Amino acid sequence: AQTVTQSQPEMSVQEAETVTLSCTYDTSENNYYLFWYKQPPSRQMILVIRQEAYKQQNATENRFSVNFQKAAKSFSLKISDSQLGDTAMYFCAFMKLSGDKIIFGKGTRLHILP
Amino acid sequence: KAGVTQTPRYLIKTRGQQVTLSCSPISGHRSVSWYQQTPGQGLQFLFEYFSETQRNKGNFPGRFSGRQFSNSRSEMNVSTLELGDSALYLCASRSGTGNTEAFFGQGTRLTVV
Repeated sequence: AQTVTQSQPEMSVQEAETVTLSCTYDTSENNYYLFWYKQPPSRQMILVIRQEAYKQQNATENRFSVNFQKAAKSFSLKISDSQLGDTAMYFCAFMKLSGDKIIFGKGTRLHILP
Repeated sequence: KAGVTQTPRYLIKTRGQQVTLSCSPISGHRSVSWYQQTPGQGLQFLFEYFSETQRNKGNFPGRFSGRQFSNSRSEMNVSTLELGDSALYLCASRSGTGNTEAFFGQGTRLTVV
């Protein structure tokens, strides 16, 4: 069975700083997808970034980038130039290539301070 | 295009009652998944429907059931409600097989008293 672990329950950083959220996972699959989702107070789950395990290049979306270490089963999210609107719960998630279900970590609550 | 719509947004029920939650996916999407979110257990997968068929099921008791209609709208039913069923229920819409991006609704907050 696949598991996703986020070791940082809560983090706070000053606006404009860079912050890194950690995530490790466990799977016996060789190819799969990894995601970071953001859930603001509105409760809407929003996809931040996606990584295909068969791609060596780390995914980047504007201020968001990942550090994907397949051998170490590590998938961290870096937020550069953090903004107040980045305040939210962040979930690391895993999905097999068959796409049947998403397995989520417990989440990291991120506070961006003015 | 319109996003994923979940109704109602909030619901208060009494133990022992049953409840039905509704999810309308993005137009053209045929896959609907349901997740339960609680502070203690986090986000847990309930089931997925694709073209009116249940394609996958999580580890929940039989009190939790669902269905999908020909227009891809899905309903989730919980019978004999327990206090522990209090949670945020999220619905996710995907276009279909092989598509990885899931679009989530804002959820239904169910409180069982």
